[in-house]
Amino acid sequence: QSVLTQPPSVSAAPGQRVTISCSGSSSNIENNYVSWYQQLPGTAPKLLIYDNNKRPSGIPDRFSGSKSGTSATLGITGLQTGDEADYYCGTWDSSLSAGVFGTGTAVTVL
Amino acid sequence: QGQLVQSGAEVKKPGASVKVSCKASGYTFSSYGITWVRQAPGQGLEWMGWISSYKGTTNYAEKFQDRVTITTDTSANTSNMELRSLRSDDTAVYYCARAAMGARIYHYYFHMGVWGQGTTITVS
Repeated sequence: QSVLTQPPSVSAAPGQRVTISCSGSSSNIENNYVSWYQQLPGTAPKLLIYDNNKRPSGIPDRFSGSKSGTSATLGITGLQTGDEADYYCGTWDSSLSAGVFGTGTAVTVL
Repeated sequence: QGQLVQSGAEVKKPGASVKVSCKASGYTFSSYGITWVRQAPGQGLEWMGWISSYKGTTNYAEKFQDRVTITTDTSANTSNMELRSLRSDDTAVYYCARAAMGARIYHYYFHMGVWGQGTTITVS
């Protein structure tokens, strides 16, 4: 049972924008930094966003992250067929003293 | 940039133990921790635990506290994860990942920038 909640799926046409929400609590998202991961089918996850809104080198600026209170959001603009994947948020939970992941969101490009 | 290479797939009987290894290269091993994450078939990511490669301190998810041990061998740039008393619902892909972990004025950062290829453990 994940402590971070995401919508099961989102979809949009190529070129459009999607946002994925990640809802948590004061012990995780509100007071710690959030990261986002992309998992293409059959592959290991890949870091997309860290420290709420920073992109590792090589990640295009079509991907963005933000945080407000107990929720975080991943945005993807200029949606491409190659963006079809599962996306997970993650952070540290200070009460559990453990890392936690979101429930995951499947992105479909229509 | 760094790379993590994991040991190969294994099939285990219920009640047995399994040890998965994760060898790091291309970065200073002691500068990052190692996290272990698993993913059951068709399911999401599940955090199992973390070890500081520098200090050797560990944190485990409560769910695995009694059954998992994560270690590092800094001389070999390797981390190992042992899971005991295996059950059928332990069937999953197990990943190691390089973890950046710390605190800035009481706010923790924790993210995984390099991942292993995954190791499939089948309990049957």
